Amino acid sequence: ELKVEQNPLFLSMQEGKNYTIYCNYSTTSDRLYWYRQDPGKSLESLFVLLSNGAVKQEGRLMASLDTKARLSTLHITAAVHDLSATYFCAVDGRRGGSEKLVFGKGTKLTVNP
Amino acid sequence: NAGVTQTPKFRILKIGQSMTLQCTQDMNHNYMYWYRQDPGMGLKLIYYSVGAGITDKGEVPNGYNVSRSTTEDFPLRLELAAPSQTSVYFCASSYTPGQGVAEAFFGQGTRLTVV
Repeated sequence: ELKVEQNPLFLSMQEGKNYTIYCNYSTTSDRLYWYRQDPGKSLESLFVLLSNGAVKQEGRLMASLDTKARLSTLHITAAVHDLSATYFCAVDGRRGGSEKLVFGKGTKLTVNP
Repeated sequence: NAGVTQTPKFRILKIGQSMTLQCTQDMNHNYMYWYRQDPGMGLKLIYYSVGAGITDKGEVPNGYNVSRSTTEDFPLRLELAAPSQTSVYFCASSYTPGQGVAEAFFGQGTRLTVV
C-alpha cells in the first residue's frame, strides 16, 4: 500500500529565509503533484512532476522529483508572508497497485515578518 | 469552464438527519474522489470512483454512501448524521493519461456541521 509522508508538518520561518519541505513515498511512482491550500479555501494545484529529475519553478517555489529515491522536495527561497499556507504533496499510486492519488498530511507553513 | 462544482457550500444538520452532498464535473474525468478535512488536519479519503458504475472505499467510509451513475456526477450520501461527521468535504476529479493518474482538480468544498 502506498504511503506518503511529508515533513515537517509545521514550519515557522522568517521572511527572507530559505527552507525545504520533503515528500517521501513508499512504492514505485513517477507522477507527483504539489498543492497549496489557504485557510478556509480549497486546494489549488501548484506543480505537476511527471518524470524522474523533473524540476518546476514558480516565483519563490521550486519543486523537484527523484523517483529512484522516492522523494520530492518543495524549496522555498527568500520566503515572504504571502507564502503562508498549507502545502500538500500527492502521489499517483497506479504503478504501485493503488488505483488513486494518495496525499501526504500537509505542511503548514507560517512566514513571520 | 466550471470544473468541479459542489453544492451546498454550507449546511447544518441535526443528529440523525440525512443529506446528500452533490458533486459534478464537466471535464469528462473518469476518476472522482470524496475527501473530508477536519479542522487543522489533512485530507482523508472517503470514497473514490474510477469510472461510471465503479466505486470503492477509501480510508474512512463508515457512515457514508456513494453512487456513480454518470461520468459527471458523484454524490455523497450521509445517513443518520453524527457530530463526528462535522467537517469540510471536498470533491475532486482527475483522469488517467496512459498508465498514470493525473492531478486532481478540487471543488470549493462543503462545510457541514452536525448538531
